[in-house]
Amino acid sequence: DIQMTQSPSSLSASVGDRVTITCRASQGISNYLAWFQQKPGQAPKSLIYAASSLQSGVPSKFSGSGSGTDFTLTISSLQPDDFATYYCQQYNTFPFTFGPGTTVDIK
Amino acid sequence: EEQVLESGGGLVQPGGSLRLSCAASGFTFSTCAMSWVRQAPGKGLEWVSTINHSGDRTNYADSVKGRFTISRDNSQNTLYVQMNSLRVEDTAVYYCAKRGWPGVLPSDLWGRGTLVTVSS
Repeated sequence: DIQMTQSPSSLSASVGDRVTITCRASQGISNYLAWFQQKPGQAPKSLIYAASSLQSGVPSKFSGSGSGTDFTLTISSLQPDDFATYYCQQYNTFPFTFGPGTTVDIK
Repeated sequence: EEQVLESGGGLVQPGGSLRLSCAASGFTFSTCAMSWVRQAPGKGLEWVSTINHSGDRTNYADSVKGRFTISRDNSQNTLYVQMNSLRVEDTAVYYCAKRGWPGVLPSDLWGRGTLVTVSS
């Protein structure tokens, strides 16, 4: 199975900050990498697919990059609505696997 | 508006069975692969199973293989998962998710989830 890791596991940031989360796959997954946002008590929301493509309706302050094994999610100018947990997921092969999540909270 | 809505969760004893349903609307269900993903209390997301658009190809996580069966009824726009021989560690919120196929697309729409509690 492909193992996914994320760093950091949590971070504290202020409104207006630029935030970057890193995701690493244990083997190459091309660009079959998705990012999800989850707020407490809510379902995950899809943000990015194919490593860098924005899902419809997702604001452009979210961006993704990477290919192979190393990927990043960047949130420019953090807003109160962005404080949440972010997960990466590989969909290169079954079983699909998620990273452990990165919690972004208010400094 | 695209929507998926899970139902069927509840409290069940270890070794028991439960069937979850997911009603889809607002999109062409019969053309989309569908998935189940779960989240144990306070934990991260775990992919459980995926079925292709026509229902003749299925995949399972090792943790549920042989105990869970995913299926779909395209005439009713409904996804199912039959869960047998339930264990305490199967306790989780179970999410239904639209799409999700290797090398194609990940899931792009999730339901609100249904809670399954396995306890004596």
